[in-house]
Amino acid sequence: AQTVTQSQPEMSVQEAETVTLSCTYDTSENNYYLFWYKQPPSRQMILVIRQEAYKQQNATENRFSVNFQKAAKSFSLKISDSQLGDTAMYFCAFIPSTGANSKLTFGKGITLSVRP
Amino acid sequence: GAVVSQHPSWVICKSGTSVKIECRSLDFQATTMFWYRQFPKQSLMLMATSNEGSKATYEQGVEKDKFLINHASLTLSTLTVTSAHPEDSSFYICSAAPLRTGGEYNEQFFGPGTRLTVL
Repeated sequence: AQTVTQSQPEMSVQEAETVTLSCTYDTSENNYYLFWYKQPPSRQMILVIRQEAYKQQNATENRFSVNFQKAAKSFSLKISDSQLGDTAMYFCAFIPSTGANSKLTFGKGITLSVRP
Repeated sequence: GAVVSQHPSWVICKSGTSVKIECRSLDFQATTMFWYRQFPKQSLMLMATSNEGSKATYEQGVEKDKFLINHASLTLSTLTVTSAHPEDSSFYICSAAPLRTGGEYNEQFFGPGTRLTVL
């Protein structure tokens, strides 16, 4: 079974600054994907970034980047130039590559507040 | 592309009544749909996985007679909360995964969610 741990329940950052959200996971799978999802007050789940475990290069999407440390089973999200619209809950998630009904395993989430 | 809708977005019902929530994939065929439940400020909890034309697979602790799931077509899955009670009040989210076309995982696309309030 997989577990995803987000130990920080809340964080706050000043607008335009950089913030890093932490995530660790545990799995015996060799091939898997990791994700960060954003859930704003509208509660629509939005995929922020995706990392394939077999790729050593860290994924980047505009202001969002990850620090993927496979050996340490760590997957942190860095948000640069924070904007007010980044205020949301952020969930780290894991899915194994194999199996037609592969299920997402979510962390508990972290509430990020961006201060003006 | 890859849009998933849910209807209704918010429903209020009386205790003891049944409520049906629809999840539709608008621009793709979803061989697998997932139903989640989320309480305020908490994570998504998977309730069940449904495949078109077959019975849903429920997660441990989820009452299948309480939460009826029907995945009747490749674009529609429904969740019926039977004999709803106030403790069933929650936010229900569905996601849909298209037929895998050689990719290594089943990407899930999320609906906007349905808020259920049982009085």
